[in-house]
Amino acid sequence: QVQLVQSGAEVKKPGASVKVSCKASGYTFTSYDIFWVRQATGQGLEWMGWMNPNSGNTGYAQKFQGRVTMTRDTSISTAYMELSSLRSEDTAVYYCARGGSYYKYWGQGTLVTVSS
Amino acid sequence: QAVVTQEPSLTVSPGGTVTLTCGSSTGAVTSGHYPYWFQLKPGQAPRTLIYDTSNKHSWTPARFSGSLLGGKAALTLSGAQPEDEAEYYCLLSYSGARSGFGGGTKLTVL
Repeated sequence: QVQLVQSGAEVKKPGASVKVSCKASGYTFTSYDIFWVRQATGQGLEWMGWMNPNSGNTGYAQKFQGRVTMTRDTSISTAYMELSSLRSEDTAVYYCARGGSYYKYWGQGTLVTVSS
Repeated sequence: QAVVTQEPSLTVSPGGTVTLTCGSSTGAVTSGHYPYWFQLKPGQAPRTLIYDTSNKHSWTPARFSGSLLGGKAALTLSGAQPEDEAEYYCLLSYSGARSGFGGGTKLTVL
């Protein structure tokens, strides 16, 4: 069965970077895009961007351009989302989701807390 | 970047009908925006109810339906149940392979 398993919770200081992983199983990793979505504390859902694991091509929401980088390691079927220059407003649960299935498959979410 | 708009909150009586809408600052929402509707409950990952305007996943209760209405995407709940109390988010796709969520609608069943 399709599974997306994300890395554990992180606590970061303002100005630091965080890298969240999303390990895929149960399907061919390079066949479907990976999307990243977050929900900041007390806020709504935000679409952050996508990555094609086959080509490495990416597309980022304007809000995160310059601060987010989405990459992958196809040898271990894992996608990564790195967010830099963290600020308190980036405290959120970050989710990965698989494309090609109308957002049917989601990771469990990773809580990133930004605090001094 | 386009702004996607939703009603901040709505209330529906048990067994009643309510329609949530999703608009775009770029103009009328069309099928070309491939509208999605997600249900979000505390502590859970988002769950897709509707995709491509009106299509349902296998788990989507029959009481939910999606459509285009007056230049907006719409999610109609007919016969509301207590377990439908949640936040609902629409997602629209734009050119350049970008997408955006609305601000969400908090639905109360009361």
